[in-house]
Amino acid sequence: AQSVAQPEDQVNVAEGNPLTVKCTYSVSGNPYLFWYVQYPNRGLQFLLKYITGDNLVKGSYGFEAEFNKSQTSFHLKKPSALVSDSALYFCAVNKPSGGSYIPTFGRGTSLIVHP
Amino acid sequence: DAGITQSPRHKVTETGTPVTLRCHQTENHRYMYWYRQDPGHGLRLIHYSYGVKDTDKGEVSDGYSVSRSKTEDFLLTLESATSSQTSVYFCAISQTVNQPQHFGDGTRLSIL
Repeated sequence: AQSVAQPEDQVNVAEGNPLTVKCTYSVSGNPYLFWYVQYPNRGLQFLLKYITGDNLVKGSYGFEAEFNKSQTSFHLKKPSALVSDSALYFCAVNKPSGGSYIPTFGRGTSLIVHP
Repeated sequence: DAGITQSPRHKVTETGTPVTLRCHQTENHRYMYWYRQDPGHGLRLIHYSYGVKDTDKGEVSDGYSVSRSKTEDFLLTLESATSSQTSVYFCAISQTVNQPQHFGDGTRLSIL
């Protein structure tokens, strides 16, 4: 099974509407979870992380993510989408491996915000 | 932005030739990573390093080798390039394994 899954290849939303980009994980224990964003021809940029504590994590550019342990999910959200939010979004989890952790990324979700 | 430089940014080469990609950091971070990005696969870890001369394999390490002789440099080598290694390669760094990674802008490698 994949350690981290992003079930949607693409999400379309109108500007001003709330957006959600979904992520589920399947690692044991307490996961370290991350969201990154990628703009064309650039490397990934860190948005936010969950390690422990509050289930609602606030990050850069008005994004937030909700950690749900019972559903093993870490969905990315924003109350009001901007056209400039259009980009590729990646969820990542640190997977235990041989006493350490290996970062594992989802396949990415393309977010398209329509004017 | 974190100080990460990848070189070259673009390269076209032929099957069977050796290729070396370089990642240079100015942040003194302990961890360095090499990924490849392909449509439909997201980012896949090739190799990573947790210190000078300390490296380990990722999920797609076959056909690749790495070296880290200095904290600031992490080299990825394709000993004999194949067309299946055509991809965009990203280097990343982090202070610890559970801290966020900072990425370079990638190397677009085409193997004909």
